[in-house]
Amino acid sequence: IAGITQAPTSQILAAGRRMTLRCTQDMRHNAMYWYRQDLGLGLRLIHYSNTAGTTGKGEVPDGYSVSRANTDDFPLTLASAVPSQTSVYFCASSSTGASRDEQFFGPGTRLTVL
Amino acid sequence: DQQVKQNSPSLSVQEGRISILNCDYTNSMFDYFLWYKKYPAEGPTFLISISSIKDKNEDGRFTVFLNKSAKHLSLHIVPSQPGDSAVYFCAAKDQGGKLIFGQGTELSVKP
Repeated sequence: IAGITQAPTSQILAAGRRMTLRCTQDMRHNAMYWYRQDLGLGLRLIHYSNTAGTTGKGEVPDGYSVSRANTDDFPLTLASAVPSQTSVYFCASSSTGASRDEQFFGPGTRLTVL
Repeated sequence: DQQVKQNSPSLSVQEGRISILNCDYTNSMFDYFLWYKKYPAEGPTFLISISSIKDKNEDGRFTVFLNKSAKHLSLHIVPSQPGDSAVYFCAAKDQGGKLIFGQGTELSVKP
């Protein structure tokens, strides 16, 4: 089934540990995004990539890094997790980064940092 | 500084009646708006969109209205069905093509 997969589905992590959230899409979309969803704040963009080999910072990039080595994969890394990074993380993709492109979302990763 | 605001965290409606979800924005440069629907434990899915050159867009039971002078848009669902119960996010595209989301409104449609 075409779409976006994320792994893990959920994770409990000790503060200070390193964690990588995985995201893979099979739609050959050029643009990919990482969001976090927090109650009362909606979804906020962490990082994005308009095409393989390029990345950019979103609204809340601090404490996170991304890479885009190929079209399909867009991992998000927390180098040293902190409790404020407890959230639900969504990966998304779109055909291009153009204004009218619909973004397709993965099922999310629920992360708890203790 | 929330550029896209959904001031109602929740809304409860009787099945068959109209649901109206509201959204306000502050940046007059936004020219494309979207509504996403999200069920628990799933990612958001695209529902309907509207360009700023229009004031209305309709798709079946869903209609989005845009009032540019008031910087306000609304999503109407008629008639509401229990399967419409979900969190609805309003979003605006910024000049770089990135989505700016509102906080979400949880709609509950009661049988």
